[in-house]
Amino acid sequence: DVKVTQSSRYLVKRTGEKVFLECVQDMDHENMFWYRQDPGLGLRLIYFSYDVKMKEKGDIPEGYSVSREKKERFSLILESASTNQTSMYLCASSKILAGSYNEQFFGPGTRLTVL
Amino acid sequence: DQQVKQNSPSLSVQEGRISILNCDYTNSMFDYFLWYKKYPAEGPTFLISISSIKDKNEDGRFTVFLNKSAKHLSLHIVPSQPGDSAVYFCAAPNNYGQNFVFGPGTRLSVLP
Repeated sequence: DVKVTQSSRYLVKRTGEKVFLECVQDMDHENMFWYRQDPGLGLRLIYFSYDVKMKEKGDIPEGYSVSREKKERFSLILESASTNQTSMYLCASSKILAGSYNEQFFGPGTRLTVL
Repeated sequence: DQQVKQNSPSLSVQEGRISILNCDYTNSMFDYFLWYKKYPAEGPTFLISISSIKDKNEDGRFTVFLNKSAKHLSLHIVPSQPGDSAVYFCAAPNNYGQNFVFGPGTRLSVLP
């Protein structure tokens, strides 16, 4: 059974803290993605990676960075958390680029609250 | 830039009836679209897809229709069941075909 796991389901942090969100997939997928989901805005792409040590900015990369040191793991980093980063964060992976029509598999999400 | 719109934030349907969820997109360079379903506290799961070589794709109770000239697609659920109550996201390829752009979602409530 394919699986994408995220390190935390719920997280509460304070403004200015450094936050790490971890994602692991066991499907040997090349591509991994980080989205945030906010009411009325759908899923917005923060960063994606199509290979180890490779990363590309998505639509809303400001205030975030990512790390992909191993194929199965993709980390999202909030260098200095702010209240407007309170959101649901979703990690996804896919076998090859989305333009080749492969679906993305999502993790369960991490609900981050920044106080 | 590709934009994906789902103009109905919510929809309520009686059990057994048809649910129709609509989606509009702006860039038709890559005619391939996905629908995802999301339950609360879970990640989205892939539901059904359609490509430009077809104007209809059916999978059990779920059918997606594509109108390329109108840049419009719709998801039909027949018959609707209470377990179908979820948020449905439509997704279209971005301008470069690298990733998908998701719509804001439609919350479907199927009433028993």
